[in-house]
Amino acid sequence: EVQLLESGGALVQPGGSLSLSCAASGYTFSNYAMGWVRQAPGKGLEWVSGISGNGVGTYYADSVKGRFTISRDNSKNTVSLQMNSLRADDTAVYYCTKGWPGIYGPEKWGQGTLVTVSS
Amino acid sequence: DIVMTQTPLSLSVTPGQPASISCKSSQSLLHSNGKTYLYWHLQRPGQPPHLLIYEVSNRFSGVPDRFSGSGSGTDFTLKISRVEAEDVGVYYCVQSVQFPITFGQGTRLEIK
Repeated sequence: EVQLLESGGALVQPGGSLSLSCAASGYTFSNYAMGWVRQAPGKGLEWVSGISGNGVGTYYADSVKGRFTISRDNSKNTVSLQMNSLRADDTAVYYCTKGWPGIYGPEKWGQGTLVTVSS
Repeated sequence: DIVMTQTPLSLSVTPGQPASISCKSSQSLLHSNGKTYLYWHLQRPGQPPHLLIYEVSNRFSGVPDRFSGSGSGTDFTLKISRVEAEDVGVYYCVQSVQFPITFGQGTRLEIK
């Protein structure tokens, strides 16, 4: 069974940094694109970032480009999101998503981890 | 960016009755490889989203056959043949033919 388990969500001050991690299991991790999607309180879904199976290709929403960095460790079956220069509008539940071979649309979602940016 | 527009934004359906949600994209979702990268997800209250339909019309594993997807190019539809209580939640269409991946605003389905 495919499982995605996020961790790292926390309360952080504006301008601060935070790193999210997602541990994947139940499939051949390196064969699939991974990504992050967020959902602000009471709002819809917003794609944040994606990474190819081999980690070479990385993609970002304009809203986070230059502030967030996605990476993956295929030896540990984990994907991470390093978030810097956090702003109040980054407050959201962040979902780790599993894509498809070469395709970045979500196939499977984790349970999500809450990031709150507030002073 | 490809804009995804869903209609209606909310609907109230009697159990056993059909429901339909439209999703229109601002550009064609047909990839050069012949596939169309349009998906439908359902987010039940308090839960993460989960995949219902992939590539326009393919039901994901475990999805009841009362759910069906159709469409092509820029116009797509999700249909529920007979709504059940467990279908309550917000339905999202999403495209992944081009970055950034974009979602529709969501359609909230409630039971009458």
